[in-house]
Amino acid sequence: QVHLVQSGPEVKKAGASVKVSCKASGYTFTSYGISWVRQAPGLGLEWMGWISAHKGNTISAQELQGRVTMTTDSATSTAYMELRSLISDDTAVYYCARDGGITPRAVLDYWGQGTLVTVSS
Amino acid sequence: DIQMTQSPSAMSASVGDRVTITCRASQGISNYLAWFQQKPGKVPKRLIYAASSLQSGVPSRFSGSGSGTEFTLTISSLQPEDFTTYYCLQHNSYPYTFGQGTNLEIE
Repeated sequence: QVHLVQSGPEVKKAGASVKVSCKASGYTFTSYGISWVRQAPGLGLEWMGWISAHKGNTISAQELQGRVTMTTDSATSTAYMELRSLISDDTAVYYCARDGGITPRAVLDYWGQGTLVTVSS
Repeated sequence: DIQMTQSPSAMSASVGDRVTITCRASQGISNYLAWFQQKPGKVPKRLIYAASSLQSGVPSRFSGSGSGTEFTLTISSLQPEDFTTYYCLQHNSYPYTFGQGTNLEIE
């Protein structure tokens, strides 16, 4: 069965960087992409970006461009999301989700458990 | 970017009621629309994909319809566990965009 297991909670100072990992199992990692979604406390879901686990190409939300880097390691079936120059508004739960791209059946069908990132000033 | 306008943002209903939540896209997205349910403190769960296909394991009281710019999620007979928050997502083009969410409360 498909599982996405994320790294643990992080507390960072404003201006620092955070890197969240997402280890996939139960499917062929390079046959799908990974989307990253975040949710600030009490607010809705915000799509951050997508990475192809096959080719490594990425697309990110415009407001995060320049601060976010998404990578994958096919040897360990792990996706990473690094967010730099953290501000208090980046305090959120960060999720990874499997994303089959043009295959609707596989778009955000499986999610990681979430990683709470807290940014302190 | 495609904007998704979800309505209502909140609603009250009773167990057994039939409810409908709507998402309107700012431009046509074919059927690249999914619906998610999220309970407090939990991971979002996909209910519907491709606008009208029921996710495996999801009760049949949930259904989705629509194409182009207008989409609906219908819960035919509300159960106590259904009172939570729902989101639509368009994945026709990047950036993906979620609706603002609908908080379904018990009356």
